[in-house]
Amino acid sequence: AQKITQTQPGMFVQEKEAVTLDCTYDTSDQSYGLFWYKQPSSGEMIFLIYQGSYDEQNATEGRYSLNFQKARKSANLVISASQLGDSAMYFCAMRKYGGSQGNLIFGKGTKLSVKP
Amino acid sequence: DTGVSQNPRHKITKRGQNVTFRCDPISEHNRLYWYRQTLGQGPEFLTYFQNEAQLEKSRLLSDRFSAERPKGSFSTLEIQRTEQGDSAMYLCASSFDTETQYFGPGTRLLVL
Repeated sequence: AQKITQTQPGMFVQEKEAVTLDCTYDTSDQSYGLFWYKQPSSGEMIFLIYQGSYDEQNATEGRYSLNFQKARKSANLVISASQLGDSAMYFCAMRKYGGSQGNLIFGKGTKLSVKP
Repeated sequence: DTGVSQNPRHKITKRGQNVTFRCDPISEHNRLYWYRQTLGQGPEFLTYFQNEAQLEKSRLLSDRFSAERPKGSFSTLEIQRTEQGDSAMYLCASSFDTETQYFGPGTRLLVL
């Protein structure tokens, strides 16, 4: 069975500093995708970044980068130059490809607080 | 720019009542997903549609839950005989095939 583990319930970071949010996953599939979503207090899940299991390079989207280490089954999110608006819950998620299965499997999330 | 929309945003109901939520996906997306999120947890998959066909249902989706997507556009999620344990955020997402899922703002349900 697939599983996502986020071991940091909460993280603090100083404004303008970089922060790494940890995510490890468990799957026996060869083809899968890894995602990070941000959830502000309003509740909406905002897509941040995607990494495919066959992608050789780490994904980057603006201030977000994904540190993908396939052998260790980790997909950590790095946020550079933190801003106050980055304060939110962050969820790592995985889905597999092939077959009819379409759903995402989420971790429990990490609450990030950015200090001014 | 029209993203995924959900209505209502909030719903308070009494135990035993029926409730229905609506989700309007991004217009060109053929897949639509429903998730449930309880406090302190990540979203959990309930069901998904490809066009009008319901392709997968989680075991979380008890007999009291039913979802439809009659014309392959909007979807409704109905909960019959609500229980206090149904209190949660219900999230809808859409995608084109297996591409990235984009979420709506969610419907917060409180069952008294």
